[in-house]
Amino acid sequence: DGGITQSPKYLFRKEGQNVTLSCEQNLNHDAMYWYRQDPGQGLRLIYYSQIVNDFQKGDIAEGYSVSREKKESFPLTVTSAQKNPTAFYLCASSKAWNTEAFFGQGTRLTVV
Amino acid sequence: DAKTTQPPSMDCAEGRAANLPCNHSTISGNEYVYWYRQIHSQGPQYIIHGLKNNETNEMASLIITEDRKSSTLILPHATLRDTAVYYCIVRGNYGGSQGNLIFGKGTKLSVKP
Repeated sequence: DGGITQSPKYLFRKEGQNVTLSCEQNLNHDAMYWYRQDPGQGLRLIYYSQIVNDFQKGDIAEGYSVSREKKESFPLTVTSAQKNPTAFYLCASSKAWNTEAFFGQGTRLTVV
Repeated sequence: DAKTTQPPSMDCAEGRAANLPCNHSTISGNEYVYWYRQIHSQGPQYIIHGLKNNETNEMASLIITEDRKSSTLILPHATLRDTAVYYCIVRGNYGGSQGNLIFGKGTKLSVKP
């Protein structure tokens, strides 16, 4: 089936460790996005990529890094520099930068 | 910051129409109105979007006022599965950061039996 796959659904890490969240799509979409959601809040944009091999910082990029080496993949690394990494992370993709975006089911990261 | 204002919560009786309002008084001519919803602990789901004409699809109808300063999402026959947070988003039709989806806190719709 076509869609956006985020893995794993739940992830636990120790403080000070980097962790990489996976996001894969087989929709042939050009644009991909990473959002963060904290309890009771809306989504905040971390990074976005409108085309392969290019990406831009969103509103809260500090402490995060991404790569976009393949059209179908947009992994997000949460580094030890991120002060409050525990959150729900959502990946999305869209056919183009100005079309509707479709979301994965999210990864809930807990750092202890 | 989000360019929209929505009530924090609403209730609706099952089987009745749910009408979710959204204010976007600073919307510009080439900005679209998008609606998404998020069921607890899941990724947001695209519902509908429009520029100035009313739009309808299998999920909902979108009514945009003539001055485009507000809109209403209508779920014609709400079911318990429509209980979710509904986000109204104004999105620019141009590249760069202005074309990104900026989410506010949305409206928590509770459909009651």
